[in-house]
Amino acid sequence: GAVVSQHPSRVICKSGTSVKIECRSLDFQATTMFWYRQFPKKSLMLMATSNEGSKATYEQGVEKDKFLINHASLTLSTLTVTSAHPEDSSFYICSASGPAGGTTIETQYFGPGTRLLVL
Amino acid sequence: AQSVTQLDSQVPVFEEAPVELRCNYSSSVSVYLFWYVQYPNQGLQLLLKYLSGSTLVKGINGFEAEFNKSQTSFHLRKPSVHISDTAEYFCAVSEGGGFKTIFGAGTRLFVKA
Repeated sequence: GAVVSQHPSRVICKSGTSVKIECRSLDFQATTMFWYRQFPKKSLMLMATSNEGSKATYEQGVEKDKFLINHASLTLSTLTVTSAHPEDSSFYICSASGPAGGTTIETQYFGPGTRLLVL
Repeated sequence: AQSVTQLDSQVPVFEEAPVELRCNYSSSVSVYLFWYVQYPNQGLQLLLKYLSGSTLVKGINGFEAEFNKSQTSFHLRKPSVHISDTAEYFCAVSEGGGFKTIFGAGTRLFVKA
């Protein structure tokens, strides 16, 4: 099946610093990428939707100046948590959507997630 | 707007017993339905999906789900569970590959020896 990778898998940073998380579709071109956040023992909440070459669409309540999303190419999207604080500690999961596996059907594939801990 | 309701937050069951995890959804348009499993400290793994066609969908690890349009349900079943099935299970809905996925709150399946 199609593969989506995230880097880093785990990051610890000091409060006030910025952290960049990368999401890559390894074997297909992703027309759309999504960023989700998961709190401990909770479900996934969509943060934003990004399309290559255009501004991301943020869900209600998500601060776009705090969570910067860049979708510079059809295989890469980045999420930057700016001036991170302990309450930003969470599990961040991306997904990439595109025709994969030799089909023309657009399917969504999830990355393995990035665990962020802000001290 | 779409929504997903997982009726049970936790389901304890003995090993080798059958299990059903319930999921109901609401949507004004046709949707695709998914079940994902998440093991502790790991990402999501797709168990199965319903896009169209047969309403009984078979997935990995012996799981299956049945789409019931009239009841707007997509319950997940397994005839005999193993200890290794202990995990969090998420039901999800999407309008299509290029559309966002809405997740249910999750059901914690706990298989006891």
